[in-house]
Amino acid sequence: KQEVTQIPAALSVPEGENLVLNCSFTDSAIYNLQWFRQDPGKGLTSLLLIQSSQREQTSGRLNASLDKSSGRSTLYIAASQPGDSATYLCATGGGNKLTFGTGTQLKVEL
Amino acid sequence: GAVVSQHPSRVICKSGTSVKIECRSLDFQATTMFWYRQFPKKSLMLMATSNEGSKATYEQGVEKDKFLINHASLTLSTLTVTSAHPEDSSFYICSARDHAGVNFAEAFFGQGTRLTVV
Repeated sequence: KQEVTQIPAALSVPEGENLVLNCSFTDSAIYNLQWFRQDPGKGLTSLLLIQSSQREQTSGRLNASLDKSSGRSTLYIAASQPGDSATYLCATGGGNKLTFGTGTQLKVEL
Repeated sequence: GAVVSQHPSRVICKSGTSVKIECRSLDFQATTMFWYRQFPKKSLMLMATSNEGSKATYEQGVEKDKFLINHASLTLSTLTVTSAHPEDSSFYICSARDHAGVNFAEAFFGQGTRLTVV
């Protein structure tokens, strides 16, 4: 059974700082890995999707990497802004299902 | 990206009544949709997979008679919480995948429904 863990559970940084969120998974037989953002009381917004054959994906200030052999993915956020404050979730895709991590609650302070 | 619309965003109901939540894919067809439940400060728990034109597949421990799922068209799936009790209060989120789009198998989520049973 796939287990997905995210570290740290919470993170507070000053505006402008670059930061890395970590995601680890136990079963490397995945189809893809997806990073999401969730604002309080809202649904999920897809940020980046990395297929199993890919190493990384970039969108604006976000860069996600995937290392299947070690069961790890990272989400890099450059020049963080207060608007980046949210909970970030990673999820592995195995067939039709997504298995979610526990999330990292990010707060970017002025 | 593709758009998934969920309605209502909030609902308060009395104990013993039933509540229906709708999930629509607005700009793509979804043969499969997914229903999740999220407890406060917890991650998402998959409840069931909704299949267009056939019965839903429920995850272990999820009561199919309590959480009725109907997927009558390629763009609409509904979740009905029957005989709701306070312990059913939670945040419910639906998801769909646009298999025909550029981003193959990327999952898109609705806005979520906050259900409060009083």
